[in-house]
Amino acid sequence: AQSVAQPEDQVNVAEGNPLTVKCTYSVSGNPYLFWYVQYPNRGLQFLLKYITGDNLVKGSYGFEAEFNKSQTSFHLKKPSALVSDSALYFCAVRDIFYGQNFVFGPGTRLSVLP
Amino acid sequence: GAGVSQSPSNKVTEKGKDVELRCDPISGHTALYWYRQSLGQGLEFLIYFQGNSAPDKSGLPSDRFSAERTGGSVSTLTIQRTQQEDSAVYLCASSPTGMDTQYFGPGTRLTVL
Repeated sequence: AQSVAQPEDQVNVAEGNPLTVKCTYSVSGNPYLFWYVQYPNRGLQFLLKYITGDNLVKGSYGFEAEFNKSQTSFHLKKPSALVSDSALYFCAVRDIFYGQNFVFGPGTRLSVLP
Repeated sequence: GAGVSQSPSNKVTEKGKDVELRCDPISGHTALYWYRQSLGQGLEFLIYFQGNSAPDKSGLPSDRFSAERTGGSVSTLTIQRTQQEDSAVYLCASSPTGMDTQYFGPGTRLTVL
């Protein structure tokens, strides 16, 4: 079975400070991992993904995420938050060998305060 | 190139009526997904089409929901005898394969009165 957890419903951070949005996952085999962002009244947009290779993945808008197999985590990070980063963030996982489709986490609402 | 499009963008219907929601995926994408998102909530998987394989219907919440994909392209999600709890944003996504990045449409906001 596949599952994704985003333990924080809401993350607040001051503009200019680093931000972290947490994601942990569970799969039987090896994971494909994705982060998507949803701005108000918009569809989801792809941010970054981990398939294989370097554990540190860089994506759009200055975001990055680190795959940690031992902790089964894929936390999203950005060194310096912008007010425009305020949005709903979704982590998604699929088991490479055993998964039938992607499972999305419940989402974390990020608010960057000026 | 064109992204994923969905129509209508908004649909208001009365309880008990049937509705059809349309998704036009990116040309050449073999995988197509339907999700439901209630206000401010996460994504609920509904159905997944991959090429000519039988669709994965495991997420459909009841037999009032059905979907088809004609010619490996356009997909229609049909909800029969709509209920107020069906009110949500219905999102469609397509992907080059079933293992790759999903590209989402803008969604259809369904309101059942």
